[in-house]
Parts: sequence; C-alpha cells; structure tokens
Amino acid sequence: TQLLEQSPQFLSIQEGENLTVYCNSSSVFSSLQWYRQEPGEGPVLLVTVVTGGEVKKLKRLTFQFGDARKDSSLHITAAQPGDTGLYLCAGDDTGNQFYFGTGTSLTVIP
Amino acid sequence: DAGVIQSPRHEVTEMGQEVTLRCKPISGHNSLFWYRQTMMRGLELLIYFNNNVPIDDSGMPEDRFSAKMPNASFSTLKIQPSEPRDSAVYFCASSLTGMGTDTQYFGPGTRLTVL
Repeated sequence: TQLLEQSPQFLSIQEGENLTVYCNSSSVFSSLQWYRQEPGEGPVLLVTVVTGGEVKKLKRLTFQFGDARKDSSLHITAAQPGDTGLYLCAGDDTGNQFYFGTGTSLTVIP
Repeated sequence: DAGVIQSPRHEVTEMGQEVTLRCKPISGHNSLFWYRQTMMRGLELLIYFNNNVPIDDSGMPEDRFSAKMPNASFSTLKIQPSEPRDSAVYFCASSLTGMGTDTQYFGPGTRLTVL
C-alpha cells in the first residue's frame, strides 16, 4: 500500500500549457518535499513545505501544502521541454518515517 | 563537491551470485539512505543510517539483503544470493541530519540486472 498517491501517473502536454500534479494521502505529514528525476539520474530536490496551507514558488513552479498537511500540489505554468521528467513527492510522517510517492512522469512536447 | 558516488553504475549478474553495491556519501553528511526503484513499485526506502548506525531497515525485502556502514564515508548494500526480481536501479542518498526537512542528495544509481 502506497502512503503517498500521485496523479496523474503519466502526463504528456504541449509546450506552453499549464498543468497540475497532485500528491494525496490519508496520513498527516510533518513536511513534504517535491523532487524531479531525469532519465539516468537520481532525484533532485525542488522544494520543501512544512506548514499547512503553505505556498512556495520556484520560477514557473508553484507548490502548495494542504491545510491538513495530508496533500500537496505542484502547478507548472507555461511548461517547457526542460520540465520533462519524473516528479516525486516525498513526506516525513509524524512517526518519523519517510516515504516517496508513486511518481508522475511528465513529457513536454516542443 | 563530488556529490554522492556510487559504484558500479551498471551490474549484470546471474541468479544466485552475490552482488555488492557501494556508496560514498557527501563529506560531512550524517545520514545515508539506500533506495530501490522499479517501474512497478516506484522508489522504495530500503534502509537508513544515522551516524553510521542503522536506524530503520524495515524496507529491506528479506534476509538476502544486507547493508553496512563501517565508517562515515562508505556504505555497501549486498544481495546474496541474487534473484531476477532484484533487478532494479539502486540509489544511495545522503543528507546532513536525516530529518524530513533535510535535502537528500542522490547518487547516479546502480542499474542491476539479474539474469
């Protein structure tokens, strides 16, 4: 059973479109992170959110932590081919266990 | 900084053989993680060390898997005997403190194929 479910699992969009990726759980998390992984490489941290309702922006990427700290979203504005990759959410639950989500594979077509 | 170093990058072996994966964490980091990534199961945490001591090995699949961290700059993950279902990419990551808000820095991974 996956503690962190991501949706959609696969996403293919045209350059310039907007998209949102979701990370959901029935458990409460002390903090939540988003990573991006490119083919043949390890994941790289994009952002960490720790407060319920927190919103962080990283250029065209907007991350939100749910008010109840059970979910998060990643919104990309005007997607670029360089945004292509596997997006993973990861959370530290209140029992100090760390989990990665199921992943969303994004392809941005030029 | 060289980042997390893993070796080998690729390993092809036959069922029943022993496989040893190696990891050198970033200097000064106190926590080290071993992960396995497959299409079916995604990225799974196998074991986590803090100050060279195994803290949580609940993700280790079975007794065929073992991990050691003899010092702060080296860790191994051993599979004996290996089976085809062990085929995956194995990642090592390190972080400064191991806390959930800490950044984990991943190595490039070892792609293991067991025939």
